[in-house]
Amino acid sequence: QSVLTQPPSVSAAPGQMVTISCSGSGSNIGKNYVSWYQQLPGAAPKVLIYDSTMRPSGIPDRFSGSKSGTSATLGITGLQTGDEADYYCATWDSSLSVVVFGGGTKVTVL
Amino acid sequence: EVQLMESGGGLVQPGRSLRLSCTASGFNFGDDAMSWVRQAPGKGLEWVGSIKKKVHGGATEYAASVEGRFTISKDVSKAIAYLQMNSLETEDTGMYYCIRVGYGSSWYFDNWGQGTLVTVSS
Repeated sequence: QSVLTQPPSVSAAPGQMVTISCSGSGSNIGKNYVSWYQQLPGAAPKVLIYDSTMRPSGIPDRFSGSKSGTSATLGITGLQTGDEADYYCATWDSSLSVVVFGGGTKVTVL
Repeated sequence: EVQLMESGGGLVQPGRSLRLSCTASGFNFGDDAMSWVRQAPGKGLEWVGSIKKKVHGGATEYAASVEGRFTISKDVSKAIAYLQMNSLETEDTGMYYCIRVGYGSSWYFDNWGQGTLVTVSS
């Protein structure tokens, strides 16, 4: 049972948009920045979003992050087959004093 | 270019020890924070622990599941980070990733190694 809750899976057709939610509490998302990671099949994870809304250099603007209260959201527009992957949110939990990850969301391009 | 290469994984019996190494290049290893994250087969990501930036004293923090059994350290002269794992349990089985921690307004897991597989089994 993860501290951060993500939907197990989302899907959409190529070119469409998907959003992935990450729900937490006042001690984690409510107090701290969120980062998002993409893990392609058989590969190591890669950072997509940091500081809840910022994209590292090289990450296309099809990927976006937002945060409101105790929830964060990753958006992917113009969905491509290469976006099929697992996506994870992460943040610091100030009560537990640990880094917490969401359980992961599998994105399928129909 | 930042490069991280993990090594030292393998098959080990429960209760035994293993030391993972992470050879780093392409950044100021002595100053930066490093973390380890693991992933059990078919499961999600789990933070193992971190060693803070030099400016923050290089203190270490660990997940409750490994506290007291695992130790993270850095050899700055060799640019190698270590994860010493003692009293291994079958639940410790998984891929272990070494990570360089980046900073914006806050931390994030910036650069990841390819991982090294640890299997704890009798």
